[in-house]
Amino acid sequence: GAVVSQHPSRVICKSGTSVKIECRSLDFQATTMFWYRQFPKQSLMLMATSNEGSKATYEQGVEKDKFLINHASLTLSTLTVTSAHPEDSSFYICSASVGGNRGEQYFGPGTRLTVT
Amino acid sequence: LAKTTQPISMDSYEGQEVNITCSHNNIATNDYITWYQQFPSQGPRFIIQGYKTKVTNEVASLFIPADRKSSTLSLPRVSLSDTAVYYCLRSTNAGKSTFGDGTTLTVKP
Repeated sequence: GAVVSQHPSRVICKSGTSVKIECRSLDFQATTMFWYRQFPKQSLMLMATSNEGSKATYEQGVEKDKFLINHASLTLSTLTVTSAHPEDSSFYICSASVGGNRGEQYFGPGTRLTVT
Repeated sequence: LAKTTQPISMDSYEGQEVNITCSHNNIATNDYITWYQQFPSQGPRFIIQGYKTKVTNEVASLFIPADRKSSTLSLPRVSLSDTAVYYCLRSTNAGKSTFGDGTTLTVKP
C-alpha cells in the first residue's frame, strides 16, 4: 500500500514553455502533499506544501507564480513550471502524507525535467 | 530551517552492521525523526521513524537517546544493494520537513 505515482517520469521541453507534473496517491487519501526539487548530487529541497482545497505554502525563495501548485483532490496534486528555463532543469519529487507533516511521507518516483 | 547533520559518506563491507548517526540539536518536543533511503534518480523510500528510545522493523533499528538531540540508524548485515544515500529527516510540527545533506553509504564486496 501507500503508493504515489508521478507523471511524466521524464520530460524535455523548450525554453519558455510550461510543463505540468502530476502527483497521485493511488491507494490512500493524502491530506498534505509536498513538492521537492533535487539537483545532481544534492539533497532534496522543499519547494512547497499543499493541502487539499487550499493554496500552497511556498518556501522562501520559491516563486509561486513560476511554480504553480494545485491540489484539487485528496489524491491529486499538480506542479506546473511556467515559462521554463534551462536553470529549472532538475529532478522534481512529490510526496504525500496522511497525517500532516509528522506522519510518514510516501514519495513518488520523481520527474526528470530537462529544459533546452 | 532546522537541518539535521550527518556524515557525508561511509564505507562498509557486505555482512557488516552499519550505524549512521544524525545530529538534531534543536529538535522540538513534537518533532519526529524519519530515515529515508534514496537510489539515484528515484524518490526516497521510507526506512523507519521514531520519537524516542528504540524502534525496530524488518530492515533497520533506530536509536534515539533521552535528550533526542541525535539519532542512529542501524542497518544489520548490509549487502551491496544497500549502497544508497540515507537521509535523516526532522519533521516539525510547523509543517516543515527539511532534508539534511544525506549520507552516501557504499557497501563493498
